[in-house]
Amino acid sequence: DTGVSQDPRHKITKRGQNVTFRCDPISEHNRLYWYRQTLGQGPEFLTYFQNEAQLEKSRLLSDRFSAERPKGSFSTLEIQRTEQGDSAMYLCASSPSRMTGGFNNEQFFGPGTRLTVL
Amino acid sequence: AQSVTQPDIHITVSEGASLELRCNYSYGATPYLFWYVQSPGQGLQLLLKYFSGDTLVQGIKGFEAEFKRSQSSFNLRKPSVHWSDAAEYFCAVGAYSGNTPLVFGKGTRLSVIA
Repeated sequence: DTGVSQDPRHKITKRGQNVTFRCDPISEHNRLYWYRQTLGQGPEFLTYFQNEAQLEKSRLLSDRFSAERPKGSFSTLEIQRTEQGDSAMYLCASSPSRMTGGFNNEQFFGPGTRLTVL
Repeated sequence: AQSVTQPDIHITVSEGASLELRCNYSYGATPYLFWYVQSPGQGLQLLLKYFSGDTLVQGIKGFEAEFKRSQSSFNLRKPSVHWSDAAEYFCAVGAYSGNTPLVFGKGTRLSVIA
């Protein structure tokens, strides 16, 4: 079990540019979540996949944001035409599909990608 | 609406002193409760979780939490704080019935002084 990984760990971009982040979940987990965390706040839900199906999107996910999980394994989060307000830590989490060890809905988080928009 | 309130933004304790971080939740169904810890610039590490059974749950690093349904609370405690416990602590609630997004509080920053 290598845990959830995210790439890159840090991204600095200029306003108006597009950026893409990648998340690799724990291999046997079929659920994958994206959260955004701004300074001084807790993580806020963005979107959620079960296998390759995107099941839910938050109202925070504007039309400049798009997420994919094409083969039900890794996921990408793209932000088009970045704005300074997009500066945040983007966290990915995964969870198992059925109760394992007696706990459903236990989400394991990656280290995050910190985005700075200049 | 689902929500989590952590009333204390910042707490400072002396090393070796006891600690209690407060968490109150509002949830329409049976809750599944978590405490996570985050060191600066890092992701979230799960400290402990509760979904049923004994209302006092033990976690990693010597932490424990007590679920009180009547008070809608899930407070985190540690009898003796170490300097390495300085971090941000987040309480979160999710649905016991399925895999759903977690709702987090705004966090409590813990500082530890000598």
